[in-house]
Amino acid sequence: GQQLNQSPQSMFIQEGEDVSMNCTSSSIFNTWLWYKQDPGEGPVLLIALYKAGELTSNGRLTAQFGITRKDSFLNISASIPSDVGIYFCAGPTDSWGKLQFGAGTQVVVTP
Amino acid sequence: DVKVTQSSRYLVKRTGEKVFLECVQDMDHENMFWYRQDPGLGLRLIYFSYDVKMKEKGDIPEGYSVSREKKERFSLILESASTNQTSMYLCASRISGANVLTFGAGSRLTVL
Repeated sequence: GQQLNQSPQSMFIQEGEDVSMNCTSSSIFNTWLWYKQDPGEGPVLLIALYKAGELTSNGRLTAQFGITRKDSFLNISASIPSDVGIYFCAGPTDSWGKLQFGAGTQVVVTP
Repeated sequence: DVKVTQSSRYLVKRTGEKVFLECVQDMDHENMFWYRQDPGLGLRLIYFSYDVKMKEKGDIPEGYSVSREKKERFSLILESASTNQTSMYLCASRISGANVLTFGAGSRLTVL
């Protein structure tokens, strides 16, 4: 089946720094989703991408759907303490739209 | 906003006990899902349901069963809990045909 590789596994950054993470797939995706999970809560959708090459922003977050349709990137600019959490990429694996998730990127922001 | 409610946030059970995890959504979504989340493994799909009384195995169904008697409620059942089922369990729902899932807050289960 499809494999989603998400990196890095974790990041320790200082407040104000930019953050970049990415996901790669062994197969082509027609949708990429990025979720954030706050500590002790369920994942919440940040950005959805539906077209190769698409670049979409949500506040300080920017995500891109790779041209090859096998990868996606999420950037967070000027990080703040509330950016702490686990970020997941996800994409549909079959015609029914079952989602497969990456292993997550844990972000820790220090003052 | 869609709300997905997992009534038990934290549970502690003993090996061999039967465990019920309940999930209710309030937006008439057809599809519902159960995932488990473990560090370094991301979210893995246990079971899903496309509609009432329908159920399909996900990637890791062994040791679990589900029940969907009403559209708004999707229950995950551990017939005989084992220590390797200690995990965070996440329920999610969505409109049929959409990709985006809405998640509950999660149920953290510890099996002793």
